[in-house]
Amino acid sequence: GQSLEQPSEVTAVEGAIVQINCTYQTSGFYGLSWYQQHDGGAPTFLSYNGLDGLEETGRFSSFLSRSDSYGYLLLQELQMKDSASYFCAAISGGYNKLIFGAGTRLAVHP
Amino acid sequence: GAGVSQSPSNKVTEKGKDVELRCDPISGHTALYWYRQSLGQGLEFLIYFQGNSAPDKSGLPSDRFSAERTGGSVSTLTIQRTQQEDSAVYLCASSPGGTGDVEAFFGQGTRLTVV
Repeated sequence: GQSLEQPSEVTAVEGAIVQINCTYQTSGFYGLSWYQQHDGGAPTFLSYNGLDGLEETGRFSSFLSRSDSYGYLLLQELQMKDSASYFCAAISGGYNKLIFGAGTRLAVHP
Repeated sequence: GAGVSQSPSNKVTEKGKDVELRCDPISGHTALYWYRQSLGQGLEFLIYFQGNSAPDKSGLPSDRFSAERTGGSVSTLTIQRTQQEDSAVYLCASSPGGTGDVEAFFGQGTRLTVV
């Protein structure tokens, strides 16, 4: 089967740094993506790791370790607008099948 | 259109009725996904279409659920004899489908309420 595990909730204050971890078990693993979803909105793509290491996009960075079946999303200089749910998603198979974790709800406080 | 379009945006139906949900993917995208999301929950994979390949139906929860994709474009998700537990937001996404084209673009979803 395929499964991804991530914490259900994380709380942080404005300006802080938060890390959301994701471990996965999936056959034919190709890469790990991260999506953001605000309440009532659609998920939007944040980042993708196809290779081991760190990918940086502005305040957000994502990391992948294939040997540990593990990745994380790092959010820096947190802002109130970052309060949302964050999903890791494994891409598997030869045709980019996308399986999501249950999501981590991030609450940013003043 | 510029993005993934889903219709209707909201659907209220009586238990036991059939419903059809529609998804118009981004033009040229060969991959199309359907997910179900209950309130405050994650995205439950339902079905995946990629080009002319046979769809991956491994996520469909029962034989009441079916989906088709005509002409490699528009997709319809059909739920027969709806039950109250089918109430959820049904999300459709599409992606270019090529190796390395990993970003999926989501529609705004159809909120289904079974009463």
